[in-house]
Amino acid sequence: QKEVEQNSGPLSVPEGAIASLNCTYSDRGSQSFFWYRQYSGKSPELIMSIYSNGDKEDGRFTAQLNKASQYVSLLIRDSQPSDSATYLCAGAGGTSYGKLTFGQGTILTVHP
Amino acid sequence: DTAVSQTPKYLVTQMGNDKSIKCEQNLGHDTMYWYKQDSKKFLKIMFSYNNKELIINETVPNRFSPKSPDKAHLNLHINSLELGDSAVYFCASSPGLGAGEQYFGPGTRLTVT
Repeated sequence: QKEVEQNSGPLSVPEGAIASLNCTYSDRGSQSFFWYRQYSGKSPELIMSIYSNGDKEDGRFTAQLNKASQYVSLLIRDSQPSDSATYLCAGAGGTSYGKLTFGQGTILTVHP
Repeated sequence: DTAVSQTPKYLVTQMGNDKSIKCEQNLGHDTMYWYKQDSKKFLKIMFSYNNKELIINETVPNRFSPKSPDKAHLNLHINSLELGDSAVYFCASSPGLGAGEQYFGPGTRLTVT
């Protein structure tokens, strides 16, 4: 079983729609979670971090964490073509202390 | 001013050769990492250093040898390169050990022929 698993995708949404990216994790000791965005040929960049249960909003992005269900999600509202990228979910803490454990990524395409 | 830089950006070499990749960060961070991203875009940690001390070594073949001369630099030397070493190697840094907010360098695309 993968430690961090993302919905496989690829995901395609029309411009202006809500894109929903999901991630589950197996290590109950994981404390914090992160979403990184990676454009093709570029390096990952952090877009959201979440540490406690519930929702965290930042502009058009909302991260959600449910530790009981071991589930993390990222919602992108009013999706734009510039949001087209690979989104990487990562967990830290527990057996992953001192490192990030990444999921395999979800490719998102926002079409005009 | 680049926060995390790597050289070279591209590296093409033959099997059996030895090569090095260099990384520098000017963020004042204590912790640096090497990641390998394979052709399926899976990003996996290889090593981490905290204040020049090796913290994580993720069952990487001993042909890979990291070295941190100071906390702003982390280099990766690879001996006897194999075809399977072809990947993109990313350096990253974070303020401290256990910090999930990591800043990645631009990557080094290594191709072994």
